[in-house]
Amino acid sequence: TQLLEQSPQFLSIQEGENLTVYCNSSSVFSSLQWYRQEPGEGPVLLVTVVTGGEVKKLKRLTFQFGDARKDSSLHITAAQPGDTGLYLCAGATGTASKLTFGTGTRLQVTL
Amino acid sequence: SQTIHQWPATLVQPVGSPLSLECTVEGTSNPNLYWYRQAAGRGLQLLFYSVGIGQISSEVPQNLSASRPQDRQFILSSKKLLLSDSGFYLCAWSWNSPYEQYFGPGTRLTVT
Repeated sequence: TQLLEQSPQFLSIQEGENLTVYCNSSSVFSSLQWYRQEPGEGPVLLVTVVTGGEVKKLKRLTFQFGDARKDSSLHITAAQPGDTGLYLCAGATGTASKLTFGTGTRLQVTL
Repeated sequence: SQTIHQWPATLVQPVGSPLSLECTVEGTSNPNLYWYRQAAGRGLQLLFYSVGIGQISSEVPQNLSASRPQDRQFILSSKKLLLSDSGFYLCAWSWNSPYEQYFGPGTRLTVT
């Protein structure tokens, strides 16, 4: 069974602070995605990384895929209240038509 | 562009009653379709997925079932609901690799 563990589970920070969320597994994934979910809504895809060591930037968000394609990180610079939500990583293997979702990190950014 | 619909948005049902949740996708053909359940503030539990009409893979043995009667329609059902079936149900679709998923708005089910 493939597991994706996210840390921390919960993070409460003030506006302007930086933060990093981690997504770790003992399994190798062909690609890894990050989603953000707001209360009462479905998750929304933020980014997909497919190459070991790949780094992608989306405005203040930086995503990195580990060299061995077993882990990933999400770094947010100068967090804003609009970043508040549940962040989920999800990994795909080359053989299954489905994703393995991480345990989730709930981020709260206050003024 | 592609859109995904789920209904109803909220549902309150007594224990032992049947359930039918519907999901439809527009603007694409032969998508992969998924049903997830999410407990409050937690991650997603994959219940069923389908790669084509009539093809259903079950991930979690329980009193739920899924059907795909048409290419872009996915239905989640139960004959008798349990209290433990309460939760937020999400439908999603994807193409093939890397299986980026696009979610519907969800259905909040409360079993009383």
